[in-house]
Amino acid sequence: DTGVSQDPRHKITKRGQNVTFRCDPISEHNRLYWYRQTLGQGPEFLTYFQNEAQLEKSRLLSDRFSAERPKGSFSTLEIQRTEQGDSAMYLCASSSGTEGKKMFFGSGTQLSVL
Amino acid sequence: GDSVTQMEGPVTLSEEAFLTINCTYTATGYPSLFWYVQYPGEGLQLLLKATKADDKGSNKGFEATYRKETTSFHLEKGSVQVSDSAVYFCALSDGQGAQKLVFGQGTRLTINP
Repeated sequence: DTGVSQDPRHKITKRGQNVTFRCDPISEHNRLYWYRQTLGQGPEFLTYFQNEAQLEKSRLLSDRFSAERPKGSFSTLEIQRTEQGDSAMYLCASSSGTEGKKMFFGSGTQLSVL
Repeated sequence: GDSVTQMEGPVTLSEEAFLTINCTYTATGYPSLFWYVQYPGEGLQLLLKATKADDKGSNKGFEATYRKETTSFHLEKGSVQVSDSAVYFCALSDGQGAQKLVFGQGTRLTINP
């Protein structure tokens, strides 16, 4: 069990640029989640996958955001035309999918949009 | 929609003091309740959970009881240590199978020696 890993740890970009984050879940976990956490707040759900299928998207996930999990393993989260309001910690989590099963979080990608 | 409200922080205590962090929730149905902890520079870790009314979750000396009548899940520890300094998040999942979590805003706890 190597845990959930996210890359990069930090990303600084200029407004209007596109950014992409990667998440590698625990290998046997079929569910993968993305959350966003702003300073002083708890994480907010963005979207989740079961295997390669994206099953739910929050209304927080505007058209500029897209997430993929093409082979049911790693996932990417892309933000197009970044805005200063996108600055946040983006967290990935994975689980084996059964209600009540433990969810494991990565350390997150801290995005700063200048 | 579902929501979680935690007592505002930061909370500062001396070592060996008694800790309570209040958490109340609003949910339809029968949620599962969780406490997560985030140590400096690390990811969120599950501290404890309870999946039905009157269940008590416990781990590392921390306890919380699922109180349906008061819609609460307060975190307690009898004697805190400096190593307990972290941010604590109360959360719920709606029990509908998606397992997505709704978090409170977090409470920063600092324990002084």
